[in-house]
Amino acid sequence: DAGVTQSPTHLIKTRGQQVTLRCSPKSGHDTVSWYQQALGQGPQFIFQYYEEEERQRGNFPDRFSGHQFPNYSSELNVNALLLGDSALYLCASSSYSGIPYEQYFGPGTRLTVT
Amino acid sequence: AQKVTQAQTEISVVEKEDVTLDCVYETRDTTYYLFWYKQPPSGELVFLIRRNSFDEQNEISGRYSWNFQKSTSSFNFTITASQVVDSAVYFCALSEARGSNYKLTFGKGTLLTVNP
Repeated sequence: DAGVTQSPTHLIKTRGQQVTLRCSPKSGHDTVSWYQQALGQGPQFIFQYYEEEERQRGNFPDRFSGHQFPNYSSELNVNALLLGDSALYLCASSSYSGIPYEQYFGPGTRLTVT
Repeated sequence: AQKVTQAQTEISVVEKEDVTLDCVYETRDTTYYLFWYKQPPSGELVFLIRRNSFDEQNEISGRYSWNFQKSTSSFNFTITASQVVDSAVYFCALSEARGSNYKLTFGKGTLLTVNP
C-alpha cells in the first residue's frame, strides 16, 4: 500500500520564477492538504482540496494556488517566487469519509529560492 | 485563534533516560483534537497520537505515554527509557472539529537528541 508521494524531492529556483510541486495521496484517500515548513518552524497550513475544489485556505497570498485532479492527486503552484518561499513543502492526505483528522504526510519537497 | 506552544526548543538526554515534551494550546472551541507527530531527519511527519477534547484519559503505547489535562490546556508527551532512534523533532498540533478534515495548527517543535 503506497503512502503519500511527492515530487520532486528537491528543487532550486530563482527569485521571480514559478514552481509546481506534485502530490499523490495514500491509496483510498480523497483529500489533500498542503503545508509550508520553514527551517526551524512547525508546518503552516496553506490550503486543502477535496472534490477538486479548494475547501479551506490558510494565511497565504494568492501567489500560492493549487489544483486537484480526478484521481485525487494534487499540485501546488507558487508564482513570483520570493527568497522567503524557501521551505519544505509537505503534502498530507486523508479520507473525508474515514477516520476524522488522521492525516498522513509525504516526505516533502525541499524548495530553495536563490 | 488557535495556538500551540512548545516551550522546549531542544532537549538532550542520555539513552535510557525518561523525557517529557511539553505542549500548551489555546483555542476557543469546546470540541477539538490534539496530535503529536514525529519528524525524523528524513523530513516525513509520522503520526503518533490523536486525542479529542472529550477524552482526558491518559494513554500509553509501549514506551510512549501522553498526559492530557484540559484544566491547564496541556497535552504532554513522555518517552520512557529513551533510545537513540527516538532522536527527532516532535510536533504538537491542534485541530478544530468543524468538519472531517480541518487544518492542523502546529507548534514550533522540540528537537530531541538521545545520546548513546
